[in-house]
Amino acid sequence: AQSVSQHNHHVILSEAASLELGCNYSYGGTVNLFWYVQYPGQHLQLLLKYFSGDPLVKGIKGFEAEFIKSKFSFNLRKPSVQWSDTAEYFCAVNHLSGGSYIPTFGRGTSLIVHP
Amino acid sequence: GAGVSQSPRYKVAKRGQDVALRCDPISGHVSLFWYQQALGQGPEFLTYFQNEAQLDKSGLPSDRFFAERPEGSVSTLKIQRTQQEDSAVYLCASSPTEQSGSFGPGTRLLVL
Repeated sequence: AQSVSQHNHHVILSEAASLELGCNYSYGGTVNLFWYVQYPGQHLQLLLKYFSGDPLVKGIKGFEAEFIKSKFSFNLRKPSVQWSDTAEYFCAVNHLSGGSYIPTFGRGTSLIVHP
Repeated sequence: GAGVSQSPRYKVAKRGQDVALRCDPISGHVSLFWYQQALGQGPEFLTYFQNEAQLDKSGLPSDRFFAERPEGSVSTLKIQRTQQEDSAVYLCASSPTEQSGSFGPGTRLLVL
């Protein structure tokens, strides 16, 4: 079955540590890739997206993600996290099905950053 | 500007009761998506509208779930004869393109 896997369900870091959250998908066709963030008490917000072009995508708040087609991966990175990055992070893949882009989300990674 | 709004924000229903959840998308957004998010999981796609046309409903879990967007703006997700397994957060997202975009705050449904 088609799926999106986020390998780390819970990540705990100290401020200034580097972050990398893994995301792998199993679709073989055309895909568009997204990372969303959900801060405590808030709704889902788009961090960054990849449709085509440069596989290294820069998003808001210093986040970036790299699309590696051969590995079916779209990992999220940030060189130095802050306490305010504490949130739930979701990887999502839109794949073409019957002429429509159908979104599939990973189960999410909970990130806690200690001050 | 105004974002996606959903109402009610919280709904408690007795098992067997019908519920209706409303989504007001961002004005002018042609695409509208509904998702179901269970506790500790990511959002799961339910259905997708482009204007008033429901282009995909493959994610609706049963025929008790029905969605409509009759005038291409506001959408309603209806769940008939609710069951305990329907308890979840129901999310709506709208977009000016065919890709999923801005999310609303969700409706938290609890079926007792």
